Amino acid sequence: NAGVTQTPKFQVLKTGQSMTLQCAQDMNHEYMSWYRQDPGMGLRLIHYSVGAGITDQGEVPNGYNVSRSTTEDFPLRLLSAAPSQTSVYFCASSYRDRPLDEQYFGPGTRLTVT
Amino acid sequence: GNSVTQMEGPVTLSEEAFLTINCTYTATGYPSLFWYVQYPGEGLQLLLKATKADDKGSNKGFEATYRKETTSFHLEKGSVQVSDSAVYFCALRIQGAQKLVFGQGTRLTINP
Repeated sequence: NAGVTQTPKFQVLKTGQSMTLQCAQDMNHEYMSWYRQDPGMGLRLIHYSVGAGITDQGEVPNGYNVSRSTTEDFPLRLLSAAPSQTSVYFCASSYRDRPLDEQYFGPGTRLTVT
Repeated sequence: GNSVTQMEGPVTLSEEAFLTINCTYTATGYPSLFWYVQYPGEGLQLLLKATKADDKGSNKGFEATYRKETTSFHLEKGSVQVSDSAVYFCALRIQGAQKLVFGQGTRLTINP
């Protein structure tokens, strides 16, 4: 199993550009989520999904869109990048009906918006 | 609301020293508690967990006890190694919810 994979590892955008961060998992997990990690603030939940076709907002959803057309993939879209979106982004997945199981995290995408 | 507060970092210790990283929480209901670790350049990994009061989670020499009376879940290790250098995150999950709520993280550096 590859686990949770994320691409790209690094990305530099100019203000106003759009891009999609990719996340995929091969563990047949129903639950997937996106976090951003900022210094001194821990991880904050952006969006999450409990299964294909179902998404919901987390703590900091503004400026981000998601969709879940398959169990495996959960892309995060930035429609018009802003410097405030400079951060490290982590995707995570877990089984929906096993809340005490760990969430598996990808290696992260470091995004800089200039 | 639900929140997690960790001790301020960074923390620097010598090899074989005793480690404590404090974590307290505020939560509605009865949360499950977790410690995750992030090694340099990697994503987070589950270190240990506890699901109810007085449970003790343990892994790789680390321990944490779920203390409901003090709403705490402090991480301890009796003798740290250089390889323990990482960022440690305390987190909670409310019963019935899927989402994790993280503390701000504590950076630990162990010097040889």
